[in-house]
Order: sequence, then C-alpha cells, then structure tokens
Amino acid sequence: SQQGEEDPQALSIQEGENATMNCSYKTSINNLQWYRQNSGRGLVHLILIRSNEREKHSGRLRVTLDTSKKSSSLLITASRAADTASYFCATDKTSYDKVIFGPGTSLSVIP
Amino acid sequence: NAGVTQTPKFQVLKTGQSMTLQCAQDMNHEYMSWYRQDPGMGLRLIHYSVGAGITDQGEVPNGYNVSRSTTEDFPLRLLSAAPSQTSVYFCASSSLAGGQETQYFGPGTRLLVL
Repeated sequence: SQQGEEDPQALSIQEGENATMNCSYKTSINNLQWYRQNSGRGLVHLILIRSNEREKHSGRLRVTLDTSKKSSSLLITASRAADTASYFCATDKTSYDKVIFGPGTSLSVIP
Repeated sequence: NAGVTQTPKFQVLKTGQSMTLQCAQDMNHEYMSWYRQDPGMGLRLIHYSVGAGITDQGEVPNGYNVSRSTTEDFPLRLLSAAPSQTSVYFCASSSLAGGQETQYFGPGTRLLVL
C-alpha cells in the first residue's frame, strides 16, 4: 500500500476561502513534499518539509508536519480559481530512497 | 535547460507488442524514476534509479524493465504490452546532493494498449 494517503479525496470551495488538505503516512519519513497537478498535465513541486521541521510557508501555502501523528497538512489561503487542481503528497524514508505518492485530493475553486 | 523530456507523447500498441518509453534529463540529477497514473488516481512508482548502473523496483514493477547506462537517460521498456498497462507514464528526476529534493517531472506519455 502507498506510503501517503490524502484526505479529503475531493474538496470544493468558493474563491477567497481557505482550503486544507491532509496527508497521512504509515512509516517514518525523511522528507514530505506536496505537488500540484493541473488536469492532464505533469506535476509541479509546491513545497518540501523535512522530518525535523514542523511548519513551512511559501506565498499562500502553509505546510505543517506532525511526525508523532504521521500526518501533514497543506493550507492554501485566499484560494483562486487557478488553484483548481489535484494535490498530492509524496514521502521518502531516507535520503536515497524511492519517493511514493498518495492518491491525491481534487480541489475545485468556484469563482 | 530542457529539463525532463519524454518521448513519445502518445502511443497506441496492440496487446503483446513491446516498446520503449524514453526519458532524458539535462540537470545532472542522480535520481530518476518512472510512475504511472491511471484515471482519477495518484502516481504509482514503477522503477527508480539513484545513479548510473543502479536500478530498483517500485510499487508496480511487473511487466516493465529499466536500465540506467548514463546519468541522463532512463528508458522504460514494456516487454509484452497488456490492456492493463494503458495509462499515462511520467518520468521524474531529482538531485540527491542534499538528500532527496524536488522532483522535476516530464510532460508524460499517454499509452493506449488495445
């Protein structure tokens, strides 16, 4: 089974609202990353958080990591229609290990 | 830099045929990997490599072979195509200089097996 699992599977919000997506994983990790995928396109890296970090910010993105609960959350503030996409978390167990993706959260931002 | 390139963009195969999906990167990345993505689903790792001459299996390796003779190239071979291999295939690469870092993805290859 996959290392990461996102929750919810689908999320629909109004433009301007905040969107929160969660990722849970099963074993200890080295890094956790979040990616975005627009329909039919390749994945774009959003943010990386290391196992010894608890929170990172990048623009309107805020990522938290709770290693005791084996979970991470991605918060997108003041959402825009252009944020409509699928969001995936990905984890690796060690620096030279494979990177495993979760099934993703589909976000729809309604103008 | 071209980044990660994949060829072909689209391919239709008949059951039993073999083919090679090409992936190349010009960023001197040590780590390269292949994923498949089925409709409405996430990415599943097929094979990966942490350097030239080193490959390892991912989550769904059956029916696929890889080799890594150079740092730049990481081809994926379908040995005998099956309809279950109809999918979109993504190649990715990343630097391991500071540990696993950002993965850069290619545009994908859409494969239909009839």
